[in-house]
Amino acid sequence: DQQVKQNSPSLSVQEGRISILNCDYTNSMFDYFLWYKKYPAEGPTFLISISSIKDKNEDGRFTVFLNKSAKHLSLHIVPSQPGDSAVYFCAPAYGQNFVFGPGTRLSVLP
Amino acid sequence: NAGVTQTPKFQVLKTGQSMTLQCAQDMNHNSMYWYRQDPGMGLRLIYYSASEGTTDKGEVPNGYNVSRLNKREFSLRLESAAPSQTSVYFCASSEVTELDTDTQYFGPGTRLTVL
Repeated sequence: DQQVKQNSPSLSVQEGRISILNCDYTNSMFDYFLWYKKYPAEGPTFLISISSIKDKNEDGRFTVFLNKSAKHLSLHIVPSQPGDSAVYFCAPAYGQNFVFGPGTRLSVLP
Repeated sequence: NAGVTQTPKFQVLKTGQSMTLQCAQDMNHNSMYWYRQDPGMGLRLIYYSASEGTTDKGEVPNGYNVSRLNKREFSLRLESAAPSQTSVYFCASSEVTELDTDTQYFGPGTRLTVL
């Protein structure tokens, strides 16, 4: 039983447009939510996070939205750039328990 | 400041062979983790260590052992490798307190193939 789902295995977006990546979770104990970005042959790198006491967190072109009642979070990238092409993992967490979703491969087309 | 380093980068083993994957971090983090990543799946936690001298099982610990040698180093050992252990292995570290969750910093990964 997957605790964390990212239902879009892949997503293609035109450069300059908005990319929206979604993540759903089932465990109500998660109180901290992170997004990681991964390029081929590299380890994941931290992108942005949000605490459960917030519903939005913004960092430059990246915004994460959290809907706790729906157990859903999303990552918005505006405007999308070719360098954003990577695999994105959401990772809900509580304490030292991080559970990674299967990832969404984003391709930003020039 | 190298962050998290892993050795080796690549390894090919035959079924039944043993090996140890090495991980070191220079960020003075208390917590360290070993994950494996398989196609179509997220990173799955094998073992973690909340502090020097302690280790705990994660989601997929079978077939693995770990050693937290000191605060900097956390090794993962495969005693008798099986083809099902073919994967990419990532080590990570973080600074986690009892009340807070901090981000994890990952190494570049070890790509292991078991024939």
